Amino acid sequence: DTEVTQTPKHLVMGMTNKKSLKCEQHMGHRAMYWYKQKAKKPPELMFVYSYEKLSINESVPSRFSPECPNSSLLNLHLHALQPEDSALYLCASSQDGTGIEKLFFGSGTQLSVL
Amino acid sequence: QQPVQSPQAVILREGEDAVINCSSSKALYSVHWYRQKHGEAPVFLMILLKGGEQKGHDKISASFNEKKQQSSLYLTASQLSYSGTYFCGTGYTGNQFYFGTGTSLTVIP
Repeated sequence: DTEVTQTPKHLVMGMTNKKSLKCEQHMGHRAMYWYKQKAKKPPELMFVYSYEKLSINESVPSRFSPECPNSSLLNLHLHALQPEDSALYLCASSQDGTGIEKLFFGSGTQLSVL
Repeated sequence: QQPVQSPQAVILREGEDAVINCSSSKALYSVHWYRQKHGEAPVFLMILLKGGEQKGHDKISASFNEKKQQSSLYLTASQLSYSGTYFCGTGYTGNQFYFGTGTSLTVIP
């Protein structure tokens, strides 16, 4: 199984809603990543979990809250988002997070904030 | 910290060649190449780790210069399936993985 699965594929939420994005992999990878991608732009790194510990937080607003319940799962909790947060949210995983192994990406969640 | 790619966009006819460059102001820990089609996830192409390294498969290859500050992706005899946005990427200090600015490549019949 070389897949990273993200759910849901599409999400529409209001600015007062609370929602969560889910990411799952069963490749035994110990590094997992959240990226945000706006149209026609490169993915921007948000968070990195390494061995289930948050190792990188790229100054992301607190309305985004990551969680890594176990080595296979990664969640992104969303609360009080703004319309400018509308984007494609990509999850990725890699073997150890050393920078020398490839990243496997999920197909993403297309988020619209109204 | 983000590597800069050039050109920003390129249009090719089937069968033509292209070169995409990725440059950094400081030495890169490693350089990865990914291709992303519209509405899809990035797909891994290759990784280069050592200065002076060259690597390739089929008609897509890449090089990493000796100082590890520049990488180039070579696409030869382009096919329609090569269309997409190409990103270089690097882990400057391991798990901080950043993508380059991107190059949109369109192959037309």
